[in-house]
Amino acid sequence: QSALTQPASVSGSPGQSITISCTGTSSDVGGYNYVSWYQQHPGKAPKLMIYDVSNRPSGVSNRFSGSKSGSTASLTISGLQAEDEADYFCSSYTSSSTLVFGGGTKLTVL
Amino acid sequence: QVQLQESGPGLVKPSETLSLTCTVSGYSISSVYYWGWIRQPPGKGLEWIGSIYHSGSTYYSPSLKSRVTISVDTSKNQFSLKLSSVTAADTAVYYCARVGLLWFRWFDPWGQGTLVTVSS
Repeated sequence: QSALTQPASVSGSPGQSITISCTGTSSDVGGYNYVSWYQQHPGKAPKLMIYDVSNRPSGVSNRFSGSKSGSTASLTISGLQAEDEADYFCSSYTSSSTLVFGGGTKLTVL
Repeated sequence: QVQLQESGPGLVKPSETLSLTCTVSGYSISSVYYWGWIRQPPGKGLEWIGSIYHSGSTYYSPSLKSRVTISVDTSKNQFSLKLSSVTAADTAVYYCARVGLLWFRWFDPWGQGTLVTVSS
């Protein structure tokens, strides 16, 4: 099962909004509403930010939102803050009864 | 709150078996959640290894299935990972995590991770 496709890097200035895409196929992202997003700061464990495409766990800032259109899921961060600088990974359930991750996107806050 | 902690050798020789244990605190491993292992080679992305329910039901990544065994010890509130016939490609930070309600749904929280290096 191929990894989901994410841009290697995105950047934005404080206060701006950015969107990170996660592209799959009809066998994974497009076929199921089981897309999750994780934030990982250097040397730290990943942290769940979004689950089931658009749900935010308790304690996660409402500046983070998720959506899906066809086989592409998206993570949007509004009101960008310096602390948002991190790597972001998406994941999805697949029709092969497995779980795949995206390659990761490095977010730089300018 | 629930916390997870990985433990095990940080160095494993090629062809041997990697063994790690995840100790769960602040929450019963016999709850409705699943429990999983994920790894991350240095500087690379995440790879799901497998998930387990307290009943012992397991779900493995097809690419690792022939070498992986995940087990659970409810009396110790722990679950474990064994990966056989390791090579340098298995060098990674190994994380354990709670899995949400379905074996693949989401991972939260994660343990701090433990680096396992495969080298002679």
